[in-house]
Amino acid sequence: KAGVTQTPRYLIKTRGQQVTLSCSPISGHRSVSWYQQTPGQGLQFLFEYFSETQRNKGNFPGRFSGRQFSNSRSEMNVSTLELGDSALYLCASRSRASGRTNTGELFFGEGSRLTVL
Amino acid sequence: LAKTTQPISMDSYEGQEVNITCSHNNIATNDYITWYQQFPSQGPRFIIQGYKTKVTNEVASLFIPADRKSSTLSLPRVSLSDTAVYYCLVGGHLANAGGTSYGKLTFGQGTILTVHP
Repeated sequence: KAGVTQTPRYLIKTRGQQVTLSCSPISGHRSVSWYQQTPGQGLQFLFEYFSETQRNKGNFPGRFSGRQFSNSRSEMNVSTLELGDSALYLCASRSRASGRTNTGELFFGEGSRLTVL
Repeated sequence: LAKTTQPISMDSYEGQEVNITCSHNNIATNDYITWYQQFPSQGPRFIIQGYKTKVTNEVASLFIPADRKSSTLSLPRVSLSDTAVYYCLVGGHLANAGGTSYGKLTFGQGTILTVHP
């Protein structure tokens, strides 16, 4: 079974630009969530989508947005980029409950590393 | 949101048992505690999950006291390949058949575990 796929893996943008990142979840997983990882702030939750609807949102400004398509693929967009947006953006898809976990297990992609100059 | 606190770093030697504690004083009644492991240039991966008391799987044990305000991940007989960052995650609702919501997730800052020969 293929894992979570994120594209692009690396990208460089300048301040003020916008960026769109893509995430393809594991087949059959309907929930996709996004995270920002930086050395100073650690791993921070951005938002979660299920059935094309945003179910939860972390404490990020409105410049950060996302969406999910009917095939569960998801995209996140960051507008008006700032230097502080430089980070590794991770996407995860969630499995159903199993013997290992009552809440479903998060399967992470390798991330998209964004550098803002 | 439940705030979590973990030690920033820990050192150990091969063959030793390692215990990493996470504090989550304002954990909610329906929050689960999950631990993830992350290697450089990879997304985190699931280790273990618990709600209360003790859980054990093939790689780790998780101890949760009755008040659930902390949890301890125990790694028996660590090896060099266990050198990684370990995250405590609090949140998550029961993943029912619809899997509608995982809830707002709070990752700790992560504990950098270094295993020495």
